[in-house]
Amino acid sequence: EDQVTQSPEALRLQEGESSSLNCSYTVSGLRGLFWYRQDPGKGPEFLFTLYSAGEEKEKERLKATLTKKESFLHITAPKPEDSATYLCAVQVAGGTSYGKLTFGQGTILTVHP
Amino acid sequence: NAGVTQTPKFRVLKTGQSMTLLCAQDMNHEYMYWYRQDPGMGLRLIHYSVGEGTTAKGEVPDGYNVSRLKKQNFLLGLESAAPSQTSVYFCASRSAGPEEKLFFGSGTQLSVL
Repeated sequence: EDQVTQSPEALRLQEGESSSLNCSYTVSGLRGLFWYRQDPGKGPEFLFTLYSAGEEKEKERLKATLTKKESFLHITAPKPEDSATYLCAVQVAGGTSYGKLTFGQGTILTVHP
Repeated sequence: NAGVTQTPKFRVLKTGQSMTLLCAQDMNHEYMYWYRQDPGMGLRLIHYSVGEGTTAKGEVPDGYNVSRLKKQNFLLGLESAAPSQTSVYFCASRSAGPEEKLFFGSGTQLSVL
């Protein structure tokens, strides 16, 4: 069974205090790993797609990395506006995956000024 | 630039009542999905569609039906609502580009009493 586990469940940071969020996964074969950001009362918003171990992608203060068993979302010098729930999801390989994603439970990030 | 639009945003039902949630996308995407989000459970796939006139079951399909009569619309129906269906429902559509992004609607908060 495909599983995605995110840690920690919640993370509180001071503004400027860098940290990382973890997403570990167990799948039969990985097509892609996705990161989304979700603000309260809104739908998830796409951040990154990673396809192969060693791949890295960056966007502003966020950097996502991928290994064969886990992904990290590194947040450098966060600001209060980075506060949100960060969701990790995997898509399994295979012709019948049809873009279906298996999501983790999310990490709630709070950045204090 | 509407993207994915869900209606209604909020709804309260009594046990046994029926309702339909509407999802509309204006991006000409082939693939569309219905997810539910519950505390501690993450997003779970209910049903999905890979094109007009097609539907398929996801991870948690029991108690729900769907239809995709037009490419831009994906309807989720509850024939006889149960308290266990109290949740936040998200519709999404997928782009065909290299990042295979999901675009989510803003959600429907449903309470079944």
